[in-house]
Amino acid sequence: SSELTQDPAVSVALGQTVRITCQGDSLRSYYASWYQQKPGQAPVLVIYGKNNRPSGIPDRFSGSSSGNTASLTITGAQAEDEADYYCNSRDSSGNHLEVFGTGTKVTVL
Amino acid sequence: QVTLRESGPALVKPTQTLTLTCTFSGFSLSTSGMCVSWIRQPPGKALEWLALIDWDDDKYYSTSLKTRLTISKDTSKNQVVLTMTNMDPVDTATYYCARQTDYGDISYFDYWGQGTLVTVSS
Repeated sequence: SSELTQDPAVSVALGQTVRITCQGDSLRSYYASWYQQKPGQAPVLVIYGKNNRPSGIPDRFSGSSSGNTASLTITGAQAEDEADYYCNSRDSSGNHLEVFGTGTKVTVL
Repeated sequence: QVTLRESGPALVKPTQTLTLTCTFSGFSLSTSGMCVSWIRQPPGKALEWLALIDWDDDKYYSTSLKTRLTISKDTSKNQVVLTMTNMDPVDTATYYCARQTDYGDISYFDYWGQGTLVTVSS
């Protein structure tokens, strides 16, 4: 089965830009989706497909992909963006299995 | 308005079978592209996908847990049930159900339940 690897933690100054990466072989074939999770809450979808945001997600969140790496960028980070972020994609086996990344803790300074 | 809610026991003993129910509203699991997945998260750890059932009643399971998992749906009741056999303390986690929208090369979990914490202890 596939694995998706993320940096454990990143920090960003208030109002600055931060990029969170997700690496895995499955990303060569499938789009990543990204989820924000705050303490004690369920994850929330923030980016899916090529670079799509669900209704209600601020446009400071954007996604991109190249080769085996997907990225989530927060442009102009706000205090409320401090959270854990997980990537997800279909498993590279093609058997409709799913895999989540290891997660990145984003701290807004 | 799409909602999902997990229900089941908060505490199970080792070796017992866990049965969780996801009751949803706002969509039909018989509509093409609609799926429901179960995902869990041990305390302080990452999300782990467990199982999926789709609109066509196809079922998919985590490779590492497939011998212990069964997923089923009752479309008339808008429910998806997950059973996990031979529970162990390492299975202690918050269990989520989530709606998964699947358009082939684009698939994502767009709505989640609030999660239910299951503790495995004697």
